[in-house]
Amino acid sequence: DTGVSQDPRHKITKRGQNVTFRCDPISEHNRLYWYRQTLGQGPEFLTYFQNEAQLEKSRLLSDRFSAERPKGSFSTLEIQRTEQGDSAMYLCASSSQVTGNEQYFGPGTRLTVT
Amino acid sequence: RKEVEQDPGPFNVPEGATVAFNCTYSNSASQSFFWYRQDCRKEPKLLMSVYSSGNEDGRFTAQLNRASQYISLLIRDSKLSDSATYLCVVSHMNRDDKIIFGKGTRLHILP
Repeated sequence: DTGVSQDPRHKITKRGQNVTFRCDPISEHNRLYWYRQTLGQGPEFLTYFQNEAQLEKSRLLSDRFSAERPKGSFSTLEIQRTEQGDSAMYLCASSSQVTGNEQYFGPGTRLTVT
Repeated sequence: RKEVEQDPGPFNVPEGATVAFNCTYSNSASQSFFWYRQDCRKEPKLLMSVYSSGNEDGRFTAQLNRASQYISLLIRDSKLSDSATYLCVVSHMNRDDKIIFGKGTRLHILP
């Protein structure tokens, strides 16, 4: 399978716990994006990497959120001290600057904070 | 004005009919435009890019109107399997590489 993969697919955690999600992009894609989506809304941009550099962070990304892409391949998104409002689908997408920035999404990680 | 706006619908359309919906955007510097399809509880999937000259892929036609700042999606001979949410995406890949998704238009194709 050469698509974008995300792990885990589902995560249930208690308020106050830390969680970490992983995204593996399409191998030749140099750009990687994280989004959050809640019911009835479109995906909301969180952050974006070009290779290993984090080029933009949304104002939605509070200081409890951190993302890394240390070797320019897979990325992790960590949420510290989770709150109920963090419950959402976290989507990862990748694209290639060379082929026009069409983004391809992974299946998402559904987070439920109880 | 919101950066990207779509009519949320739902559009309830009989099978075989033609349906069209628009998406307006506020930033005239926007450079790239896409339509994505999202099924319930699934990830968005790229449907088509929208080029300045318009483009067609089978039953689907996308057009861009820069003067009025909107893009459109036309679906001909609609199928039951076309039922989904259609997301408009606008980006201006300049220094800030900003990408904005609309909230989506829900389409229900009725048998």
